[in-house]
Amino acid sequence: DAGVTQSPTHLIKTRGQQVTLRCSPKSGHDTVSWYQQALGQGPQFIFQYYEEEERQRGNFPDRFSGHQFPNYSSELNVNALLLGDSALYLCASSSRYNEQFFGPGTRLTVL
Amino acid sequence: GNSVTQMEGPVTLSEEAFLTINCTYTATGYPSLFWYVQYPGEGLQLLLKATKADDKGSNKGFEATYRKETTSFHLEKGSVQVSDSAVYFCALSEASGTSYGKLTFGQGTILTVHP
Repeated sequence: DAGVTQSPTHLIKTRGQQVTLRCSPKSGHDTVSWYQQALGQGPQFIFQYYEEEERQRGNFPDRFSGHQFPNYSSELNVNALLLGDSALYLCASSSRYNEQFFGPGTRLTVL
Repeated sequence: GNSVTQMEGPVTLSEEAFLTINCTYTATGYPSLFWYVQYPGEGLQLLLKATKADDKGSNKGFEATYRKETTSFHLEKGSVQVSDSAVYFCALSEASGTSYGKLTFGQGTILTVHP
């Protein structure tokens, strides 16, 4: 049983560019959450998707947007990249009454 | 809003020493509490959880008890190994009684265990 998978593993972008990160949930999970983890910090909640709708959102600007597909996979889009967006982006999947399982993350570097 | 506070600073221990990592929280309602571990270059792995007051979570020799009266969820292990070296995160979920919903994390505690 494959766990949560994320792509790409690493990504380098320049300021002002746009980026799309992808996540495939663990089999049987219908909910996907995204977190941003800056170096040396704990993960910060970006948003959560369920039934293709954004159900909950953290304190992130509108430059951060997402999507969930009918097969429950998800994308995170970040527009107009800033240097401060450099971080490890973690995807977590879950289903009702089960804990969140995390993927290995995508390391984004903005130059 | 909800928040989680972990003990500051890295922890360095010798193998077979006793480990305590303190965690306190602020939350409305009755959150679920978690400890996650992150090994170098990897994502987060759930170590243990507790969903109601006085519950004790345990896994791989690690334990933590949900103390509502002191709003704490301290992580303990009686004898650490070199392989326990990692970053440990305390977290809470707003979803009362379940593991579903937004996670709020502490800042993490780096544990280094020497032979």
